[in-house]
Amino acid sequence: KAGVTQTPRYLIKTRGQQVTLSCSPISGHRSVSWYQQTPGQGLQFLFEYFSETQRNKGNFPGRFSGRQFSNSRSEMNVSTLELGDSALYLCASKTNSGASDVQYFGPGTRLLVL
Amino acid sequence: SQQGEEDPQALSIQEGENATMNCSYKTSINNLQWYRQNSGRGLVHLILIRSNEREKHSGRLRVTLDTSKKSSSLLITASRAADTASYFCATEMNYGGSQGNLIFGKGTKLSVKP
Repeated sequence: KAGVTQTPRYLIKTRGQQVTLSCSPISGHRSVSWYQQTPGQGLQFLFEYFSETQRNKGNFPGRFSGRQFSNSRSEMNVSTLELGDSALYLCASKTNSGASDVQYFGPGTRLLVL
Repeated sequence: SQQGEEDPQALSIQEGENATMNCSYKTSINNLQWYRQNSGRGLVHLILIRSNEREKHSGRLRVTLDTSKKSSSLLITASRAADTASYFCATEMNYGGSQGNLIFGKGTKLSVKP
């Protein structure tokens, strides 16, 4: 099976712009979660989607949003970018939501905000 | 806030030696997972231990879990230069809407010298 894929892998944006990141989960996985990794805050949970519904949400401002499509692919959007949004954004998938199961991570999208 | 805290923050050893990393957490968990990350890339899942398990092995990896002390350890035996990476523990909490998402520690940076 192919692993979790994320596009694009690298992105440079300027303050005030918006960005959309994409994640394709492992085939058959219905839960997709997003995480932000920065040197200062480490790895932090953004949100989880399952069956096109947001199931959990981390402590991030409303500028961070996401959605999931019927094929389980997910996108996350960050509007009005700030310098502090520069980070590695990781997507993870697993079989079901809330299940005590392994989350498989993609390679990440590295976002640089100038 | 971080749920897991790894100790030590950095560890440098010679090839062939064993490496032990510890993780402490704060709240009741469903499971605890260990991941490896090479140079800011995606996370690679190593092992999952459930709250009712005390020890698990996978190849050169041994993980223990002590729920009374809210702590876990990861032992890598006979380390190799290729084991050089950052290692993270992640807990899946056991209550409410937070079930399913992972809370990560800050990680231990392991350097294995040939």
